[in-house]
Amino acid sequence: GAVVSQHPSWVICKSGTSVKIECRSLDFQATTMFWYRQFPKQSLMLMATSNEGSKATYEQGVEKDKFLINHASLTLSTLTVTSAHPEDSSFYICSALRTRNTGELFFGEGSRLTVL
Amino acid sequence: DQQVKQNSPSLSVQEGRISILNCDYTNSMFDYFLWYKKYPAEGPTFLISISSIKDKNEDGRFTVFLNKSAKHLSLHIVPSQPGDSAVYFCAAVGNQFYFGTGTSLTVIP
Repeated sequence: GAVVSQHPSWVICKSGTSVKIECRSLDFQATTMFWYRQFPKQSLMLMATSNEGSKATYEQGVEKDKFLINHASLTLSTLTVTSAHPEDSSFYICSALRTRNTGELFFGEGSRLTVL
Repeated sequence: DQQVKQNSPSLSVQEGRISILNCDYTNSMFDYFLWYKKYPAEGPTFLISISSIKDKNEDGRFTVFLNKSAKHLSLHIVPSQPGDSAVYFCAAVGNQFYFGTGTSLTVIP
């Protein structure tokens, strides 16, 4: 089956540093990828929709200058958390849309960010 | 190897009847399980969760059952409504998140 891979799966960083998380679709091309933030036992919060070759569409309340999204190819989208602070500690999860028509959506396994 | 499986890609149910969505998992160490509902062009919204120490959790029309010996999770929607038509994802949480591939539910008026 289709696989979406995230890297790194777990990252610890110091406050003020930037962290990049990659989301790759391994066996299909994804023109659209989604980035979510997951707090414990809460909803998967959609942060932004990433379309290949164009600017990401951010949800209300998400700081686009803090959470930089780049979808440079049909198989890779990156999320960069800039100047990370402890309150940014969370699970970040991506998903990739395999086809627009059928809406098949495949999720990555999440990247746990801990900011000290 | 997929750790969470939703073997039925689609399900159709008559309005007013029960919808049962199933999910199987392989790792007995998961801490809790989640169900999400997703409409087209939107992100998944949280529906209901269940801790691995429980076997049932109910919230309105939604009930999740956990059978740990069978490593099986199910979501019951009673009564089903046309607005419930969406894709439903189950997820298991341990050190990471593991999602199923989704079941598309269609509730027929």
